[in-house]
Amino acid sequence: DAGVTQSPTHLIKTRGQQVTLRCSPISGHKSVSWYQQVLGQGPQFIFQYYEKEERGRGNFPDRFSARQFPNYSSELNVNALLLGDSALYLCASRGDLNTEAFFGQGTRLTVV
Amino acid sequence: GQQVMQIPQYQHVQEGEDFTTYCNSSTTLSNIQWYKQRPGGHPVFLIQLVKSGEVKKQKRLTFQFGEAKKNSSLHITATQTTDVGTYFCAALRSNDYKLSFGAGTTVTVRA
Repeated sequence: DAGVTQSPTHLIKTRGQQVTLRCSPISGHKSVSWYQQVLGQGPQFIFQYYEKEERGRGNFPDRFSARQFPNYSSELNVNALLLGDSALYLCASRGDLNTEAFFGQGTRLTVV
Repeated sequence: GQQVMQIPQYQHVQEGEDFTTYCNSSTTLSNIQWYKQRPGGHPVFLIQLVKSGEVKKQKRLTFQFGEAKKNSSLHITATQTTDVGTYFCAALRSNDYKLSFGAGTTVTVRA
């Protein structure tokens, strides 16, 4: 069984550009969450989706948006990139909302 | 929001020794999860605690949920080099199932 897969694994963007990160959850998992992890800190919650509906949003600006598709995969979009957006972006899927989260390997985004 | 604080931030341990890391909240938690992230890796689920006073063991790791469900601890006995990494506690909020992570305890081991 494939785990949570994220693409791309690494990305370098210039300030002001836009980026789209992709996530495929474990087969059968209907919940996808996105986290931002800056070096030396814990993952910070960005979005949660369940059954294609947004179920929660963290304290991030409107430049961050996401969606979940009918096959439960998800995309995270970040517009007008800032240097401070450089981080590891993690996607996690859960079978049910009250169970453990399975994380992908993450996308390492560097904004220059 | 539901915040969890972890102490210590760093733990330097001699191989073979024991140590404990703590997770504290000012509010009552519905449940707490623990994750381990190896250097360069992603968080991996270790355990979930739900009941007041619950204690669970995984080999050399012992997890505890406080009686008031406001704190949790992870105790590792006979530390090995394979225990290196950052240990996170995460609180699962009961109203919207948002999972909020602490800042983690980063463990290094001296051989």
